[in-house]
Amino acid sequence: NAGVTQTPKFRILKIGQSMTLQCTQDMNHNYMYWYRQDPGMGLKLIYYSVGAGITDKGEVPNGYNVSRSTTEDFPLRLELAAPSQTSVYFCASEGQYNEQFFGPGTRLTVL
Amino acid sequence: AQSVTQPDIHITVSEGASLELRCNYSYGATPYLFWYVQSPGQGLQLLLKYFSGDTLVQGIKGFEAEFKRSQSSFNPRKPSVHWSDAAEYFCAVDAGNKLTFGGGTRVLVKP
Repeated sequence: NAGVTQTPKFRILKIGQSMTLQCTQDMNHNYMYWYRQDPGMGLKLIYYSVGAGITDKGEVPNGYNVSRSTTEDFPLRLELAAPSQTSVYFCASEGQYNEQFFGPGTRLTVL
Repeated sequence: AQSVTQPDIHITVSEGASLELRCNYSYGATPYLFWYVQSPGQGLQLLLKYFSGDTLVQGIKGFEAEFKRSQSSFNPRKPSVHWSDAAEYFCAVDAGNKLTFGGGTRVLVKP
């Protein structure tokens, strides 16, 4: 049981490039989330999903897109990377008792 | 609307001394309260949670917390910290299957 896995661990992008952050969970959880973590700011919700085929915006969705074609996978897409998207990105899934399980994170730098 | 603030950005504590983490919550009628711990370079791990029932909650790493409705508090305490408790700690409130996080408290442990 691997829990929540994220790839890549680190990435450097140039301004305007695009990339997809991968997230997979093997706990059969319906709810999944993407957060970004900036120093001193806690975690901000980017997008979330309540099940396959259903996604919704969180607090800071601009510049990002998501899809949820399966229960297991919840990729986050950055289309035109900007320096403001330099951050650490965490994916999470929610278990039976509202507890969220987090992946190890992806550290993204946009130069 | 739920709001969460952590008044202490940093806490420095000597090894073996006690530690209490603080969080100010504003929430609706049925609070789901969480504390997460993040070790350096890692994802977030659940430290404690309160839904209902027994107001004294035991968490991981030797932490416990008491939910006090009249004070809107759920502050984890540990009587004797270990060097491995050095980490960042986040409180969070569940707002309809979405967590609102505080800004975090970084705990430094002196030998």
